[in-house]
Amino acid sequence: DAGVTQSPTHLIKTRGQHVTLRCSPISGHKSVSWYQQVLGQGPQFIFQYYEKEERGRGNFPDRFSARQFPNYSSELNVNALLLGDSALYLCASSPGDRANSPLHFGNGTRLTVT
Amino acid sequence: AQTVTQSQPEMSVQEAETVTLSCTYDTSESDYYLFWYKQPPSRQMILVIRQEAYKQQNATENRFSVNFQKAAKSFSLKISDSQLGDAAMYFCAYRSSGIYGNEKLTFGTGTRLTIIP
Repeated sequence: DAGVTQSPTHLIKTRGQHVTLRCSPISGHKSVSWYQQVLGQGPQFIFQYYEKEERGRGNFPDRFSARQFPNYSSELNVNALLLGDSALYLCASSPGDRANSPLHFGNGTRLTVT
Repeated sequence: AQTVTQSQPEMSVQEAETVTLSCTYDTSESDYYLFWYKQPPSRQMILVIRQEAYKQQNATENRFSVNFQKAAKSFSLKISDSQLGDAAMYFCAYRSSGIYGNEKLTFGTGTRLTIIP
């Protein structure tokens, strides 16, 4: 089975622009989470979606938004990009209906804002 | 809010030797999960081992084992018989179990492990 897939792999944007990152979960997984990993730090939680509904939101500005589609894939949108948004964005999936199932991560999207 | 601290930014170990990575956390909750994830240069976060706080027995997965000290809020990872493929960033992570469906992970800042041939 395919793992969590993210696209694109790399992305370069200019300050003020908008970006959309995409994630396809493992087949059968209904929960998708997004994390931001700034260079040299651990990942920071942004959002979790389950069955198309938001289950959790981290401490990020309203410029960050996400949604989940009926096929459980997800998009992360960031508006009005800042230099500080440069980071590795990780997507993770899980079945979502079991208390202790681990998250499965994708390889991430490297976003560079210039 | 929960916090996770990894006080060793970098560690190195000779191939075939044993190394221990430290992690401490702060929480007021009594039930939670703890994880160690590995992130090689490929960037993918790979689960190494997990521990349920209500279990007193330390988790083991082949060459990987943990020393879970709940009262001390300590969760260290021991890697035995280190191999070149173990070289990576290692992250300790915390997850609350109090809210059904909450899968938020709180990560530490990571420890970069180098294996010396």
